[in-house]
Amino acid sequence: EIVMTQSPATLSVSPGERATLSCRASQSVSSNLAWYQQKPGQAPRLLIYDASTRATGIPARFSGSGSGTEFTLTISSLQSEDFAVYYCQQCNNWPLTFGGGTNVEI
Amino acid sequence: EVQLVESGGGLVKPGGSLRLSCAAAGFPFSSYSMNWVRQAPGKGLEWVSSIRSSDNYIHYADSVEGRFTISRDNARNSLYLQINSLKAEDTAVYYCARAGSDGWRFEFWGQGTLVTVSS
Repeated sequence: EIVMTQSPATLSVSPGERATLSCRASQSVSSNLAWYQQKPGQAPRLLIYDASTRATGIPARFSGSGSGTEFTLTISSLQSEDFAVYYCQQCNNWPLTFGGGTNVEI
Repeated sequence: EVQLVESGGGLVKPGGSLRLSCAAAGFPFSSYSMNWVRQAPGKGLEWVSSIRSSDNYIHYADSVEGRFTISRDNARNSLYLQINSLKAEDTAVYYCARAGSDGWRFEFWGQGTLVTVSS
């Protein structure tokens, strides 16, 4: 099983600041990596897939990068609606696995 | 607009069974692989099971293998999860999620249905 490790667990930032979230895979997943945003009481929402492709309707302030075992989600200028938990997920091998999440808070 | 609506959750005793359903609309259901993902209260996301569109090939997480059965009815645009021999650790919100057209990302999600296992 591929273990996905996200860091930091909690990221405290101010509106307008840049946020950088990391995700590391225990073995290579190529570019088969997705990022999700989840707000309290809501289902997750796909942000990024194939490591760097924004999903439909996702603002350009969200960007993804990386390949192999190291990945990054960057939010260029945090808006109030961006405070949430973010998960990475590898889509390369069975079983599909998620990271533990990063809570982006004020 | 893609819509996924889960139902069938509830309170069940340990060892009991439930059948979860997911009604899909707004896309050609038979053309997409489908998934179940769960989230225990206050915890992260856990993939549970997937069923491929092309050949109904199925995968399960080790934690549910042998107890859970995923299935689909393309004529009814519906996905199912039969969950047997329930344990307390199966308590979670269960989400139905549509896969991407070319990969196992979870492109669209339902609102989830809560399964509580307690005596």
